[in-house]
Amino acid sequence: GENVEQHPSTLSVQEGDSAVIKCTYSDSASNYFPWYKQELGKGPQLIIDIRSNVGEKKDQRIAVTLNKTAKHFSLHITETQPEDSAVYFCAASIGNTGNQFYFGTGTSLTVIP
Amino acid sequence: GAVVSQHPSRVICKSGTSVKIECRSLDFQATTMFWYRQFPKQSLMLMATSNEGSKATYEQGVEKDKFLINHASLTLSTLTVTSAHPEDSSFYICSARDGQENNSPLHFGNGTRLTVT
Repeated sequence: GENVEQHPSTLSVQEGDSAVIKCTYSDSASNYFPWYKQELGKGPQLIIDIRSNVGEKKDQRIAVTLNKTAKHFSLHITETQPEDSAVYFCAASIGNTGNQFYFGTGTSLTVIP
Repeated sequence: GAVVSQHPSRVICKSGTSVKIECRSLDFQATTMFWYRQFPKQSLMLMATSNEGSKATYEQGVEKDKFLINHASLTLSTLTVTSAHPEDSSFYICSARDGQENNSPLHFGNGTRLTVT
């Protein structure tokens, strides 16, 4: 089955700096890669996603890149703000409404004011 | 956007009692819902996949008789923790995908914090 690895497990950055979180996956059939942000005591919220037919996607301060050959994808947050502090999870899925998602182990991001 | 509502957000119960958690897709039909358990500072652990109109599929190590799942409609799935014990205390989260859309995102509820005393 699919195996998703995520690094780093914790990340601290100064406000205004960039943060990068990386994930790798093992199943070449995976074709959908979402990123979730989870704040304390809440469920994960989708922040951005990318499908295997594109290499990069950007939404304001957040961007995701995908390298299908190397089977890795990354989340980039620029101009970080204290409200970006949360746990971020990457995931991989084979596009089909019934298929499960495989999650990374999470990255706890702290943005220091 | 798609919204998944989970209720209750917090529940405290005594050992031996049962607790039911509801998960509703508010503005889309979800033929499949997923139930996760999350321990502090850990990732999401898939417990079971809930299929509308059929039996749920449980992950290895998850007791189906203890965690009863019912997915009676396209917008509602329930998880019942039966004969709860303190070790069942955890954060339970449901999620759903829009059944009408291929490659659709997974949307999560806000979770239920269960404490068994």
